[in-house]
This record gives sequence, structure tokens and C-alpha cells, in this order.
Amino acid sequence: DTAVSQTPKYLVTQMGNDKSIKCEQNLGHDTMYWYKQDSKKFLKIMFSYNNKELIINETVPNRFSPKSPDKAHLNLHINSLELGDSAVYFCASSQDLYSLETQYFGPGTRLLVL
Amino acid sequence: AQKITQTQPGMFVQEKEAVTLDCTYDTSDQSYGLFWYKQPSSGEMIFLIYQGSYDEQNATEGRYSLNFQKARKSANLVISASQLGDSAMYFCAMREGGANSGAGSYQLTFGKGTKLSVIP
Repeated sequence: DTAVSQTPKYLVTQMGNDKSIKCEQNLGHDTMYWYKQDSKKFLKIMFSYNNKELIINETVPNRFSPKSPDKAHLNLHINSLELGDSAVYFCASSQDLYSLETQYFGPGTRLLVL
Repeated sequence: AQKITQTQPGMFVQEKEAVTLDCTYDTSDQSYGLFWYKQPSSGEMIFLIYQGSYDEQNATEGRYSLNFQKARKSANLVISASQLGDSAMYFCAMREGGANSGAGSYQLTFGKGTKLSVIP
């Protein structure tokens, strides 16, 4: 059983489209995250949710909107996709917000905007 | 200032030899965690090893060990007996903690990574 899963694994789409990436964790963790890895492999936090509540919203365009229907799911919706949105998006989860426990990552979603 | 610095963009090591990947960090928190992740060419992020700031002993996990030098703020990863399958990107990361760290401390801050190539 995959601990943190993401769908789809690959996403190729045209500029201007709206797309969603889904993430689910079966670890019973309270906290989930979205990270973006750019073409230079640099990983940066985008959002953090704790028990369905938004905790961190880094400098991310409003076109990106996370949604957490329950604490096991954190989906990422992107409106009006731009070329610069092409990247690998990773979902991750950790036990809770306050402990320094390990974060476990999903397999990543490779987004290519044409 | 960068919170996590990995000074080696790329490293080569002979199969079966040991290799050290450097990582230095910058924090004013007393409580923090240091992590190493491996990213093979397939793209997934694999957790390798964790060191807490209060841990007195260096963390070890199989062939991986973390050389934690708190005063120097370094957390180098040592891979012993390198294997061809160790060829990958390696990322050092830090998670700061403590009530005064602010909400922004709860995420992992990553270094830029080191690409390790194991030579047969």
C-alpha cells in the first residue's frame, strides 16, 4: 500500500487550462504539504495544511488553490495554467505540525504546460 | 541567507567506496530536525535519515550515517560501500521547531542538492 499517493503522475496540458492534482495519505497523519520542484531541482514549499486548515501559504499565485476535504486528502487546483507552472509537484505528509517528525513524500506529478 | 547549503553540485565515487555529502545549515532555533532525502532518476523522494538537534549520537540507518557537528552547524551524509543504485540526487533539509519559530517553520527547507554518480 502506497503511503502517500498522487494522481496523475504525468500531466501535459495547454496554457490557459485548469487542472487538478490529487493527493491522499493513508498514514493517519494530521499535516499535509505541497512542494514544487523546478527545472533546477530546487524544492520549495507551497502550502501546508493541518487537520484541513491552511497553515502556510507561501508566495504562490492565486491561480493555485489547495483544497483539503479531510485530513487524508490535499488536492491542488491550478487555474489558467502558464508555461512557468511546468514543474514536478510533490505532496507530503507528517504526523503533525509541531513535532519534527519525518515528512513522507508522494511520487510526484510531472506537469508540462505547452 | 540560505538556510541549507550543499556546496557540492556533483560528486563521483567508486563503487564499494565511502562518500561524504556535505550539508551546512543556518538556524537560531534550539530545536530543529535535519533530514536527508534521495531522489533517483525516477523522480520520487525517498527519506533516508533523520537527526534531531538534541540527539547526542549520530544517526545511522544501514549504510547511511549522519555526521552531525552541532557547533559547526553541519550535517554531512556518509554513504558507506557505495552501490550503483546509490547514483541519484541527494537533498539535505531542515525543519525548525519551537513556539517562537512562527508558522513558516513547519515546512522542510531544502538545499539545492548534490548529484552523486557511482562509478563501476
